[in-house]
Amino acid sequence: EAGVAQSPRYKIIEKRQSVAFWCNPISGHATLYWYQQILGQGPKLLIQFQNNGVVDDSQLPKDRFSAERLKGVDSTLKIQPAKLEDSAVYLCASSSLAFTGNTIYFGEGSWLTVV
Amino acid sequence: QKEVEQNSGPLSVPEGAIASLNCTYSDRGSQSFFWYRQYSGKSPELIMFIYSNGDKEDGRFTAQLNKASQYVSLLIRDSQPSDSATYLCAVEIISNFGNEKLTFGTGTRLTIIP
Repeated sequence: EAGVAQSPRYKIIEKRQSVAFWCNPISGHATLYWYQQILGQGPKLLIQFQNNGVVDDSQLPKDRFSAERLKGVDSTLKIQPAKLEDSAVYLCASSSLAFTGNTIYFGEGSWLTVV
Repeated sequence: QKEVEQNSGPLSVPEGAIASLNCTYSDRGSQSFFWYRQYSGKSPELIMFIYSNGDKEDGRFTAQLNKASQYVSLLIRDSQPSDSATYLCAVEIISNFGNEKLTFGTGTRLTIIP
């Protein structure tokens, strides 16, 4: 079974530039998550999709972050304009049910450095 | 108060000894608890989950849950150098939006000393 795919793996941008990350979840997984993990911290949920609808985006900085999941499959997370504090790993994850922690699978992450 | 708290470490344990990792949580309504292992530069991987009070064993790993004390722990017996990683405690909470989501602690960095 193919895992959660993410790209790009690494990105370095200057502050105020924009960046987009892509995620392809495990086939058939209805729920997709974007987490932000800052160095030395645990992952923080940014947004959760159920199929192509947003379930929770309470911790998404909506003035600069946006995310979409078209057709309930792939998802993109965009940051515009980026700030230095956005430097983090952006983890995409998916699960097969509305939520079951023991079936949530993470991708390898997209590492963002803002300089 | 943070929702999930862990000692960030580092925790150093001799090879072959028992490593004990601890986690407390604030939401008394939480029902599901998870331990993830994260190697440096890698994504978190689930190693244990526990729903009921008491102990749950899986190979060298034992998860312990005490809901009255809002405390969950992970024991690693016969620690190996390959166990050196950051261990993330995660707790399922019901958000204000009604969805279930995982809230992570900051992680405990464990080093097994050969």
